[in-house]
Amino acid sequence: QRQLRESGSGLLKPSQTLSLTCAVSGGSITNDGFSWGWIRQPPGKGLEWVGHVSHRGTTYYNPSLRGRLIISLDGSTNQFSLSLRSVTAADTAIYYCARLTPELFGEDYFFYGMDLWGQGTTVTVSS
Amino acid sequence: EIVMTQSPLSLPVTPGEPASISCRASQSLLHRSGYNFLDWYLQKPGQSPQLLFSLGSNRASGVPDRFSGSGSGTDFTLRISRVEAEDVGVYYCMQTLQTPLTFGGGTKVEIK
Repeated sequence: QRQLRESGSGLLKPSQTLSLTCAVSGGSITNDGFSWGWIRQPPGKGLEWVGHVSHRGTTYYNPSLRGRLIISLDGSTNQFSLSLRSVTAADTAIYYCARLTPELFGEDYFFYGMDLWGQGTTVTVSS
Repeated sequence: EIVMTQSPLSLPVTPGEPASISCRASQSLLHRSGYNFLDWYLQKPGQSPQLLFSLGSNRASGVPDRFSGSGSGTDFTLRISRVEAEDVGVYYCMQTLQTPLTFGGGTKVEIK
């Protein structure tokens, strides 16, 4: 059974780099055709899509984070990662990893239906 | 960026009674393929979100049939035919038509 589990830096100071990893068990993240994403939730607030990466390594980022964000796949360890540099207090949130379904509709590619989620990891940015 | 607006913000419900949540998109989510790119999620207290519906009305595995998703274009509705105590939590819609993928602000369902 597929499972996702986040791990990484929990407490950061402003300007540092946030590094998170999502370990995927029960299948190959580069061979089974799914895409892999990150979603975050600030304390007491709603959900925000951070970005995702296709099984071939193509990345899609939230423009609000572009320039600071890198999402990557590592097929050898069956993990995908998030790196967010120059963090501020606004990056404080629970970060979730999730699986998305990619599908071609006509000539257009879409990513939808996050059907597997990790348990979430809390990231706090404070001086 | 497509803006998603949900209503109501809060929904007190009586067990056994029906409930509905509205989600409106700032532009049409209907693709020429005929699919609406709209997901619904439920985040139960203290848990990660879980998928309820994708593509507007495709029920996810394990979701009870008392839940239904409908709508097209810019207006969508999640309905619960008979609310049960385990249905409490925050419901989110999310558009998947274009990046950035965007969520509605959430609707908190609680038992009266």
